[in-house]
Amino acid sequence: DAGVIQSPRHEVTEMGQEVTLRCKPISGHNSLFWYRQTMMRGLELLIYFNNNVPIDDSGMPEDRFSAKMPNASFSTLKIQPSEPRDSAVYFCASSLVGTGGRGIQYFGAGTRLSVL
Amino acid sequence: AQKVTQAQTEISVVEKEDVTLDCVYETRDTTYYLFWYKQPPSGELVFLIRRNSFDEQNEISGRYSWNFQKSTSSFNFTITASQVVDSAVYFCALSEEIAGNQFYFGTGTSLTVIP
Repeated sequence: DAGVIQSPRHEVTEMGQEVTLRCKPISGHNSLFWYRQTMMRGLELLIYFNNNVPIDDSGMPEDRFSAKMPNASFSTLKIQPSEPRDSAVYFCASSLVGTGGRGIQYFGAGTRLSVL
Repeated sequence: AQKVTQAQTEISVVEKEDVTLDCVYETRDTTYYLFWYKQPPSGELVFLIRRNSFDEQNEISGRYSWNFQKSTSSFNFTITASQVVDSAVYFCALSEEIAGNQFYFGTGTSLTVIP
């Protein structure tokens, strides 16, 4: 089975440009998570969805960040306008939460974003 | 307050040595789950193990073993006879039953195995 698929793997953009990161979760999973990883702050949860509904977006840095999950097989994280301090690796993860206890989160390969 | 503490930022060992990575967690929930993930230099995060709070039995998987002790709120990870391929950053994480599906990750321990 395919794992979590993220695109693009690398993104280089200029300050002020809009950036859209994409994620396809594992088929059948009902929770999706967006994380950001930097040397300074480590791994931070930005937002997560259950059954396509955003549950907790308290980790979203500011209004420049937005995330959507229009259906069970696709999610986007958008940064508009982008700033150099947004440079980081962004991970998407998915899990199946049900009667079997807390689901294991499976991570995509990440998108390395560089904002110049 | 940090829910998961990995006090060891960096560890270096010589190949074939044993190494233990520490993880201390904090929760008031009676039902919770603990995880370990590995992040090799290639960057992806790889799931290693999940433990629930009702199962304190230690687990062994090949050269990897985990010691879960509720009395000290610790979930330590030992690699026996370390190999160069074990070089990675290792993250411990906590998920609480009352807090929804989110994970609280520690800051990670960077392990370097020297040949």
